[in-house]
Amino acid sequence: GAGVSQSPSNKVTEKGKDVELRCDPISGHTALYWYRQRLGQGLEFLIYFQGNSAPDKSGLPSDRFSAERTGESVSTLTIQRTQQEDSAVYLCASSLARSRGLADYNEQFFGPGTRLTVL
Amino acid sequence: GIQVEQSPPDLILQEGANSTLRCNFSDSVNNLQWFHQNPWGQLINLFYIPSGTKQNGRLSATTVATERYSLLYISSSQTTDSGVYFCAVERRAGANSKLTFGKGITLSVRP
Repeated sequence: GAGVSQSPSNKVTEKGKDVELRCDPISGHTALYWYRQRLGQGLEFLIYFQGNSAPDKSGLPSDRFSAERTGESVSTLTIQRTQQEDSAVYLCASSLARSRGLADYNEQFFGPGTRLTVL
Repeated sequence: GIQVEQSPPDLILQEGANSTLRCNFSDSVNNLQWFHQNPWGQLINLFYIPSGTKQNGRLSATTVATERYSLLYISSSQTTDSGVYFCAVERRAGANSKLTFGKGITLSVRP
């Protein structure tokens, strides 16, 4: 597609339920990121995938959060046993892999986000 | 980790006015991006500018990497410029790759 797409756009769930969020990166982008944005705040990094390398999970806030990516395509972010503090907008971004040649280009492009509300 | 500070936190302009938004960061970076988050929450890429100066229409940006700051200039502001402006940086740190965001600058342009 032309840009990063995410689904669903909105998700309302009850405390304790599991949710799965989906991200489709820009075609050809090998790097994929998940961020979280709480109301009125900046974005917080969650996890980063680059090709077949082990993902950087350093931003995941607890073991209830996990993410998968198959190859260089779709990624899913799963939140188990959701809590009210998980309510936020979850944004996905993708970028071309950093070139180790002349340029160190790594511009990230964001999807529209999934607004998660945990009741 | 790296700190990103944006100022001012809030800005109110009359349509047609010019403004300068500032981003300070605490360590050397290899990537700096400016985004505009519109009222629907979409992050729109404005500039990818780890150093130097770029211009795009009424917007321009300058990053002075050695002094660890970046400026976003908005000229002849329009009501559609309203929203939140984020600066985000990626630090040189081996294989690590993530953007660290400032808290944003909320801009309101009044007709």
